[in-house]
Amino acid sequence: DVKVTQSSRYLVKRTGEKVFLECVQDMDHENMFWYRQDPGLGLRLIYFSYDVKMKEKGDIPEGYSVSREKKERFSLILESASTNQTSMYLCASSSPQGLINGYTFGSGTRLTVV
Amino acid sequence: GQSLEQPSEVTAVEGAIVQINCTYQTSGFYGLSWYQQHDGGAPTFLSYNALDGLEETGRFSSFLSRSDSYGYLLLQELQMKDSASYFCAVAMNSGGYQKVTFGTGTKLQVIP
Repeated sequence: DVKVTQSSRYLVKRTGEKVFLECVQDMDHENMFWYRQDPGLGLRLIYFSYDVKMKEKGDIPEGYSVSREKKERFSLILESASTNQTSMYLCASSSPQGLINGYTFGSGTRLTVV
Repeated sequence: GQSLEQPSEVTAVEGAIVQINCTYQTSGFYGLSWYQQHDGGAPTFLSYNALDGLEETGRFSSFLSRSDSYGYLLLQELQMKDSASYFCAVAMNSGGYQKVTFGTGTKLQVIP
């Protein structure tokens, strides 16, 4: 079964900390995405990657960076965590036919910044 | 930019039919997708429409009208397990890349 695994289900970090959210997929997918989900705002795209070493900004990249050193792994980095980054973070992957076959999402990481 | 609108909440009776509408504004439009998300779960892909018309997959159908910038998800023979949030999502060309933007979701409550 196709799987996207996010390393932590729940995470609590302090303001100013550097935070790494890890995502691994086992489907040999080229495309990977990071979204954050907030009540009433839906899912908003932070960054995406269509190949190793490639990254593109989504709609809300400020305060975040990403790393894709290997095809199966896409990391989201909060350089200096702030309380407004408290959210559910969802990683997704897809084949190049991702529009037709859909994205596969991980179970999410609920991050709380205190 | 782009925008999507869908109702925030819908309530329907078990066994009935419910339609969740989605209107969008975007350039470089490729198609419209639908995802289901149960509370505490990951979004799961339901359907994708690139062309006008109705696509049926079991109890679920999805419709697209490109000229009206409008689509809907139709759920028939509602079951309690269909209680979930449903997101429409537009796929578009953004800076030469495909990008998918999600709506804010419709929370469907199925009641006995």
